[in-house]
Amino acid sequence: SQTIHQWPATLVQPVGSPLSLECTVEGTSNPNLYWYRQAAGRGLQLLFYSVGIGQISSEVPQNLSASRPQDRQFILSSKKLLLSDSGFYLCAWSVPGGPNTIYFGEGSWLTVV
Amino acid sequence: GENVEQHPSTLSVQEGDSAVIKCTYSDSASNYFPWYKQELGKRPQLIIDIRSNVGEKKDQRIAVTLNKTAKHFSLHITETQPEDSAVYFCAAIYSGSARQLTFGSGTQLTVLP
Repeated sequence: SQTIHQWPATLVQPVGSPLSLECTVEGTSNPNLYWYRQAAGRGLQLLFYSVGIGQISSEVPQNLSASRPQDRQFILSSKKLLLSDSGFYLCAWSVPGGPNTIYFGEGSWLTVV
Repeated sequence: GENVEQHPSTLSVQEGDSAVIKCTYSDSASNYFPWYKQELGKRPQLIIDIRSNVGEKKDQRIAVTLNKTAKHFSLHITETQPEDSAVYFCAAIYSGSARQLTFGSGTQLTVLP
């Protein structure tokens, strides 16, 4: 069966520091991969999605970037964090060409101080 | 693109009563409609989905109905229990397309003991 791992689970970072969140999917090949952000008490905002290695689509312009160095690895990065980057970050995957059901990782709580 | 509106944003019901959450979508080509439940501090999890070739689907105490003509779908929870308290998200997409799931803004359901 497929599983998705995301880390770290929580982190507190100072303003201006870099960020790296990592996600891996097991048990499937060439998944669609996604990064979502959820501010406190708010909805799900799609940040990036990827349909293959090196293929990244950005939904919202910001100081974040994403990379997919391997088929089942998706990384969210920032060179300099802002206070507004605080939130709950969720990695997710879906079967390409499938029913588009999205399965979420356990999430990473980021607090920028 | 697709636009999904979800109502109400908050809903309180007495334990044992029923709860109904409604969503409307704009793209008549959409044919896949999942529902996610997100407990506090946790990831959204798929609880039920429906495709446009059926009008209703049930799974124990939860059911989803779809009206393609009116372009709306609803989540019904019967005999609510305190553990049903969570945020519920609806979503819509044209299955198999390169587009992404469009989520509603979420409904905070509180089941009062």
